[in-house]
Amino acid sequence: SQQGEEDPQALSIQEGENATMNCSYKTSINNLQWYRQNSGRGLVHLILIRSNEREKHSGRLRVTLDTSKKSSSLLITASRAADTASYFCATDFSQAGTALIFGKGTTLSVSS
Amino acid sequence: DAGVIQSPRHEVTEMGQEVTLRCKPISGHDYLFWYRQTMMRGLELLIYFNNNVPIDDSGMPEDRFSAKMPNASFSTLKIQPSEPRDSAVYFCASSLSAGETQYFGPGTRLLVL
Repeated sequence: SQQGEEDPQALSIQEGENATMNCSYKTSINNLQWYRQNSGRGLVHLILIRSNEREKHSGRLRVTLDTSKKSSSLLITASRAADTASYFCATDFSQAGTALIFGKGTTLSVSS
Repeated sequence: DAGVIQSPRHEVTEMGQEVTLRCKPISGHDYLFWYRQTMMRGLELLIYFNNNVPIDDSGMPEDRFSAKMPNASFSTLKIQPSEPRDSAVYFCASSLSAGETQYFGPGTRLLVL
């Protein structure tokens, strides 16, 4: 499968702690994206990082991309209870003419 | 813009009935995607359109599933006849291009009894 695969599948932390989620993929990509899904809702785009970028920040989010290892990480700093959600990485294999391929997600639980 | 609009939000039907899900993408977006999400299989891409033309329907599970996009502002996903294993949340998303940011609708939660 060309899916990105997130690790861990589930993560439980306390408010104020940092949360790190990882994503691995198998073939070359144009870009990698992270999405968040709150329970019972649609997915919301968080950040897009292109294959020629190594790191990107957006507020409390930091995404890194290592194309040599075919992996990415999403770091949420100073987590809040409102960060409780599932987080998905999605990869763009555009050279194959396909759309985004989503992984199965990491479920993050932040307790206060 | 109101974002991607889906209807209905919930659908309960009996096995064998026809189900039609509807989607209105964000104005100006050239790409429209239909996904299905279940606990077992995660988020699966069913089909996507570019400028109203189906580009890849390899994810459509069976001939019982069909999708159309008669114009730039409307798409339907139809299941006929429906089966209990079709129970899932169906999402529609749109984007400016295939590999760029996708904007998701709230989903249609389908339960086939």
